[in-house]
Amino acid sequence: GDSVTQMEGPVTLSEEAFLTINCTYTATGYPSLFWYVQYPGEGLQLLLKATKADDKGSNKGFEATYRKETTSFHLEKGSVQVSDSAVYFCALSDRDSGGYQKVTFGTGTKLQVIP
Amino acid sequence: NAGVTQTPKFRVLKTGQSMTLLCAQDMNHEYMYWYRQDPGMGLRLIHYSVGEGTTAKGEVPDGYNVSRLKKQNFLLGLESAAPSQTSVYFCASSYQRDRSYGYTFGSGTRLTVV
Repeated sequence: GDSVTQMEGPVTLSEEAFLTINCTYTATGYPSLFWYVQYPGEGLQLLLKATKADDKGSNKGFEATYRKETTSFHLEKGSVQVSDSAVYFCALSDRDSGGYQKVTFGTGTKLQVIP
Repeated sequence: NAGVTQTPKFRVLKTGQSMTLLCAQDMNHEYMYWYRQDPGMGLRLIHYSVGEGTTAKGEVPDGYNVSRLKKQNFLLGLESAAPSQTSVYFCASSYQRDRSYGYTFGSGTRLTVV
């Protein structure tokens, strides 16, 4: 079955540091890939997405590139801010055996940015 | 533009009590989902619905029931609450014709069973 593996957290960075959160996946089909962000006490929000190989999704200074050859979708940001402190979830969307869309989430990576 | 609305936001139940969590979406999405989120476990799918009048089991359905009588509403029921059901519950919806669309999540219901 499909699966998503994220790097373990928590990740603690100083403000303005470079961020990378690794995400790799396995899928039977040709999935779409997503990053969601969850701020404390809130639900998940779609951060960015990519739907085919070599696509780059970007939003709010974050970006991730769909790498089919390495089955990866790493999240990066050049300069993090305290307001980026949140839990980040990598996810993929694929069709299951019944033809229905199925989304598989990673376990989440907590990011803490300190001033 | 409410998106996905969950009620209630917080609830404390005694073991054995029942309750219903309500999820409402105003985006005309076909698919709706109930997840639970526990520390270190990520999101686990409880039940989902691919349209009005349909429901299906996810990966952790035991102890829960669902109904989707109207397209915009998806109800999650706990018939006899247990401490193991203490969790944060999230509802999500999606326009499933497009697999790249992504999910819209509600803000969650924090349930404690004592």
